[in-house]
Amino acid sequence: SQTIHQWPATLVQPVGSPLSLECTVEGTSNPNLYWYRQAAGRGLQLLFYSVGIGQISSEVPQNLSASRPQDRQFILSSKKLLLSDSGFYLCAWMEDILNTGELFFGEGSRLTVL
Amino acid sequence: GDSVTQMEGPVTLSEEAFLTINCTYTATGYPSLFWYVQYPGEGLQLLLKATKADDKGSNKGFEATYRKETTSFHLEKGSVQVSDSAVYFCALRRYTNAGKSTFGDGTTLTVKP
Repeated sequence: SQTIHQWPATLVQPVGSPLSLECTVEGTSNPNLYWYRQAAGRGLQLLFYSVGIGQISSEVPQNLSASRPQDRQFILSSKKLLLSDSGFYLCAWMEDILNTGELFFGEGSRLTVL
Repeated sequence: GDSVTQMEGPVTLSEEAFLTINCTYTATGYPSLFWYVQYPGEGLQLLLKATKADDKGSNKGFEATYRKETTSFHLEKGSVQVSDSAVYFCALRRYTNAGKSTFGDGTTLTVKP
């Protein structure tokens, strides 16, 4: 069966520090991968998506970047964090965009920037 | 662009009460519609879905019907339990959009014993 792992689960970082969140998917190949951010009391905002290795699409201009160095690995990064980067970050994958369309989410990473 | 509008929360109900969470959408074509649930401190998980007009999705006593004429996908449950306390998200996805999903802002449900 397919599983998705996301880490770290929680982190507190000072303003100006770098960030790296990692997500890996097991049990499937060539998934579509997504990074969402959920601000407190708000809905989900799509940050990046990837349809293949090295293929990254950005949805909103921001202080973050994403990379997909391997088929089932998706990394969210920042060189210098801002206070506004605080939030709950969710990685998700979709197996077959022509079929069910269901997203499978990781457990999330809660980032607090101080 | 695509958008999803959900009933504003929070919603507080007593156990065994009837639940309705409204959801309406704007999208071109024929999107698939979803309800996801997020329990405290966790990621989202699919609750139910419908892929075409008049389809009814159902799971764990929850139901929602895809109404194209009113562009709605309201979530209902006849008798809620304390364990249903969570945040509920309505979402849509169009096949021609790289699988990107659009989410509503979420509705927080608290069920009291």
